[in-house]
Amino acid sequence: KAGVTQTPRYLIKTRGQQVTLSCSPISGHRSVSWYQQTPGQGLQFLFEYFSETQRNKGNFPGRFSGRQFSNSRSEMNVSTLELGDSALYLCASSLVSGRTEAFFGQGTRLTVV
Amino acid sequence: QQPVQSPQAVILREGEDAVINCSSSKALYSVHWYRQKHGEAPVFLMILLKGGEQKGHEKISASFNEKKQQSSLYLTASQLSYSGTYFCGTEETSGSRLTFGEGTQLTVNP
Repeated sequence: KAGVTQTPRYLIKTRGQQVTLSCSPISGHRSVSWYQQTPGQGLQFLFEYFSETQRNKGNFPGRFSGRQFSNSRSEMNVSTLELGDSALYLCASSLVSGRTEAFFGQGTRLTVV
Repeated sequence: QQPVQSPQAVILREGEDAVINCSSSKALYSVHWYRQKHGEAPVFLMILLKGGEQKGHEKISASFNEKKQQSSLYLTASQLSYSGTYFCGTEETSGSRLTFGEGTQLTVNP
């Protein structure tokens, strides 16, 4: 079966701009979680969606938001970009978050200049 | 609450064993282990659910002590392909989010 697809793979944005990242989970998976990965910081949890509802949110400012559509595809939006937002953004899909294995996409590498 | 992993890094020679530890201050429902190679997405290794069951995956196994909120990943007779960063992810009994530690960088040399 097809894996988790994230688009785009690479992005370069300017400070102050906004960006939207997309994640298509594995067919049948209703849970999508987003993580920010930076060197030395591991995987920082952003938020988790299940059946179009945000169930959990990490400790990130309100500039980070997301949503999930009825087909389980999810988008993440970052507004007013800052240099510190440069990171690899990973999404993970699972049948039920935390209770079953998570499958990660290849990620979107965001660079803010 | 982010779990704590130790050690931060370990270097092995092919054939040697290693143990990676993961601990949390919260009551856990499950512990997940993932391996990420440079430039690639994390890949699932195994999940341990509340109940203390030890699981195995070829020469990689793990245990979960739910009373101590600790898990350990055991890599025996390491191979070059084991190199990568290992992450433990924990789910607390009170929630459904999977929170990861900062990772353990494992290098296996010939």
